[in-house]
Amino acid sequence: EAGVTQSPTHLIKTRGQQATLRCSPISGHTSVYWYQQALGLGLQFLLWYDEGEERNRGNFPPRFSGRQFPNYSSELNVNALELEDSALYLCASSFRGGNQPQHFGDGTRLSIL
Amino acid sequence: GQQLNQSPQSMFIQEGEDVSMNCTSSSIFNTWLWYKQDPGEGPVLLIALYKAGELTSNGRLTAQFGITRKDSFLNISASIPSDVGIYFCAGQRGNDMRFGAGTRLTVKP
Repeated sequence: EAGVTQSPTHLIKTRGQQATLRCSPISGHTSVYWYQQALGLGLQFLLWYDEGEERNRGNFPPRFSGRQFPNYSSELNVNALELEDSALYLCASSFRGGNQPQHFGDGTRLSIL
Repeated sequence: GQQLNQSPQSMFIQEGEDVSMNCTSSSIFNTWLWYKQDPGEGPVLLIALYKAGELTSNGRLTAQFGITRKDSFLNISASIPSDVGIYFCAGQRGNDMRFGAGTRLTVKP
C-alpha cells in the first residue's frame, strides 16, 4: 500500500513569489492535514481538510491556504513568500472520524532566497 | 496552538542502554501517539495508545497511556545505532492533535 506522497521534494523560491505544494493521501483516507516544521522546531499545525472542506486551521496568516480535491488529494498554497516561510512542509492523512492516527509523507522542503 | 511538554529535549546514550522519554499536558487526550523522524523524512508512527492505562509494545519499544490521560511515556530497550532520530509524542482528541517538541536521540556505538 502506497503511503502519503508529497511533491515536489524540494522547492526554491524568492521573496514575494507564490508556492504550491501537493499531497496524495493513503488510499481510503479522506482527511488531509498540513504542518510546518521549521528547522530545529516541532510541528506546527496549518490546515485540516476532510471531504473537500476546510475543517480547521492553525495560527497562520491567510496567505497560507489550500484545497482538497474530489480524489482527496490536496494542495497547499503560500502567497507572498517571506524568508521565515523556509521550512519542511509535511502532509498527513487519516481515516475520517476522531482519534484516527495520522500518517505522514516525507515533506516538501521549501527554501526562500 | 498549545504544544505538549516533552522531555528530555535530547539524549546521548551508549549502544545497548535503555531510553525513557515522556510527554505531559494540562489537557486530557483520548489518544496518545509516538512518532520517529529520521533526517530528511517525515515522522513514522511507532505506537498508538487508545485507553488510559494501556501499555503497548512494538519490538523493543514500549509506551504507556497515563491513567490521568494527560501523559504518556516511551521506553526503548537495548538501544542500537539505527534508533538515532527525533521522537515526537502527540496527543489527540477528536481531530485535534498536538505535538511535543521532540526528543533528539543520539546513540554512540
